[in-house]
Amino acid sequence: GAVVSQHPSRVICKSGTSVKIECRSLDFQATTMFWYRQFPKQSLMLMATSNEGSKATYEQGVEKDKFLINHASLTLSTLTVTSAHPEDSSFYICSARPTGGLSYEQYFGPGTRLTVT
Amino acid sequence: RKEVEQDPGPFNVPEGATVAFNCTYSNSASQSFFWYRQDCRKEPKLLMSVYSSGNEDGRFTAQLNRASQYISLLIRDSKLSDSATYLCVVNSGGKLIFGQGTELSVKP
Repeated sequence: GAVVSQHPSRVICKSGTSVKIECRSLDFQATTMFWYRQFPKQSLMLMATSNEGSKATYEQGVEKDKFLINHASLTLSTLTVTSAHPEDSSFYICSARPTGGLSYEQYFGPGTRLTVT
Repeated sequence: RKEVEQDPGPFNVPEGATVAFNCTYSNSASQSFFWYRQDCRKEPKLLMSVYSSGNEDGRFTAQLNRASQYISLLIRDSKLSDSATYLCVVNSGGKLIFGQGTELSVKP
């Protein structure tokens, strides 16, 4: 149980285009999902907290107009990287907290590797 | 100062060795603590929670010292399959804060 999927697993796009990444909780409902970014040899950094039916909460330094988050259902959150640039190339990982779960309970997706050329 | 700090390593050890990882955190209000394991180009996976009383899971022992804001992980009789990056993770207000990770390479 507690499986989270991400799609796509890998994407290569040209500079200036937009990329959408989907995060799905497959066997549980998740009111809250999280989006992280990880650069090579660095830690996972929380980008934003996504809440079903409401606006996402972004961490300091993360541009909300560049990283659009939509959490329209209890099993799906999407992250759209708008006008992507090479410096946005990274490993993007989502996690989902089961509705009613403990504050620290998060199940991670397998990640999406984004390369912007 | 980073909220969670770890020695990045790498730690290169022979099979069967005992290896210890350390971690410090800055937010004294942090509520819960974990060690995760991350294999290359994969998502992090929960290894174990960490309690003040210390806890053990097979070859792995974790310890928390709240007074000094210090967390440790001990791996005994290391196996080749233990090679990975070990992430110290702190729950602060419902957010998981990750350390940079300590890379472990176990050699035959």
